[in-house]
Amino acid sequence: DAGVIQSPRHEVTEMGQEVTLRCKPISGHNSLFWYRQTMMRGLELLIYFNNNVPIDDSGMPEDRFSAKMPNASFSTLKIQPSEPRDSAVYFCASSFGTGFGNTEAFFGQGTRLTVV
Amino acid sequence: AQSVSQHNHHVILSEAASLELGCNYSYGGTVNLFWYVQYPGQHLQLLLKYFSGDPLVKGIKGFEAEFIKSKFSFNLRKPSVQWSDTAEYFCAVNFYNQGGKLIFGQGTELSVKP
Repeated sequence: DAGVIQSPRHEVTEMGQEVTLRCKPISGHNSLFWYRQTMMRGLELLIYFNNNVPIDDSGMPEDRFSAKMPNASFSTLKIQPSEPRDSAVYFCASSFGTGFGNTEAFFGQGTRLTVV
Repeated sequence: AQSVSQHNHHVILSEAASLELGCNYSYGGTVNLFWYVQYPGQHLQLLLKYFSGDPLVKGIKGFEAEFIKSKFSFNLRKPSVQWSDTAEYFCAVNFYNQGGKLIFGQGTELSVKP
């Protein structure tokens, strides 16, 4: 299996622009997570999908952030408009299960976002 | 809200020294526990996990962790570290009332001097 695939690996954009991050989970996994990693705040869970349905988006910072999972093999995280404080590494992870007791989460390589 | 704490932010050891990294969580109910490692510039990889059974769990690369329910702890250990263990280590918890979510600690950066 190719693992969790994220694109792009690096993104540099200007403040105010729209940014879209993409994720392909491991085939057969039905839970998908978006995390943000910064030096100051560590690893923060932004949103968690199960069977393509958003279960918990309490970590999404504000309305500028949105996430979708149109099917079992694809998810996007969109920031519009982007701001310099959104600069971070964004990780997508997937696992299998229906709730508590999911298998371990497998992480993608991450997207390093820089907003200038 | 449930939380995960890692007490050591940065640990510096010499090769062959023993390692113990602390992890505590804030919930008294059923939990599943994980340790992940992140090598410089890479993604997180699973070191070991605990779901049930023997509270002493062995993982990859000689790491082990012990679940002590009464102390809400899941400390990571390695008897003899190597330079290649230099990385950031994250404790993560799946709390019973949080579905499939994994909550991570702040991470501990380990630097091993050759």
